[in-house]
Amino acid sequence: ELKVEQNPLFLSMQEGKNYTIYCNYSTTSDRLYWYRQDPGKSLESLFVLLSNGAVKQEGRLMASLDTKARLSTLHITAAVHDLSATYFCAVDTGSGNTGKLIFGQGTTLQVKP
Amino acid sequence: DAGITQSPRYKITETGRQVTLMCHQTWSHSYMFWYRQDLGHGLRLIYYSAAADITDKGEVPDGYVVSRSKTENFPLTLESATRSQTSVYFCATLTQATYGYTFGSGTRLTVV
Repeated sequence: ELKVEQNPLFLSMQEGKNYTIYCNYSTTSDRLYWYRQDPGKSLESLFVLLSNGAVKQEGRLMASLDTKARLSTLHITAAVHDLSATYFCAVDTGSGNTGKLIFGQGTTLQVKP
Repeated sequence: DAGITQSPRYKITETGRQVTLMCHQTWSHSYMFWYRQDLGHGLRLIYYSAAADITDKGEVPDGYVVSRSKTENFPLTLESATRSQTSVYFCATLTQATYGYTFGSGTRLTVV
């Protein structure tokens, strides 16, 4: 059974600080996703990581994938209040193009002024 | 408007009643999915569909039924609602060219 575990589950940090969210998964997969969710809203796609060693950056967020370690990280640089949200990683369990996602529990990020 | 639309946005129903959640997409994507979101569990896959008339179970299918007679619609039916099915339900499509998923706005269902 594929499991996806995020840590920490809750993160309170000061503006301007750096931090990393970790996503570990238990079986082989070459596709990993990061999403952002604001309270009461839908999921917003942040990154799609499609191969080992993939690194993507958007603004203050950078995501990486190590398929050998079965680990993805979401690094936050110089956090600002607008980044406060819940972040989910999800692993694609489908072969080829079937696509079925298994989600982590989510990490709730609170950035304090 | 182009995109993925879920209805209703909010629904309160009684235990034992049948309720159908609707999902409509305008892109003609082959793959569509239903997820439920509960506190502490992230999102869990209920059912998915690879094309019209092709559906399959996900992680938590019990108590749910799906159909897909047309590519653009993928309704989810709770045949006899239970309190444990109180949740937020998200529909999603997959853009195969980019492996990107797009989620609908969600339906918040409360079973009393």
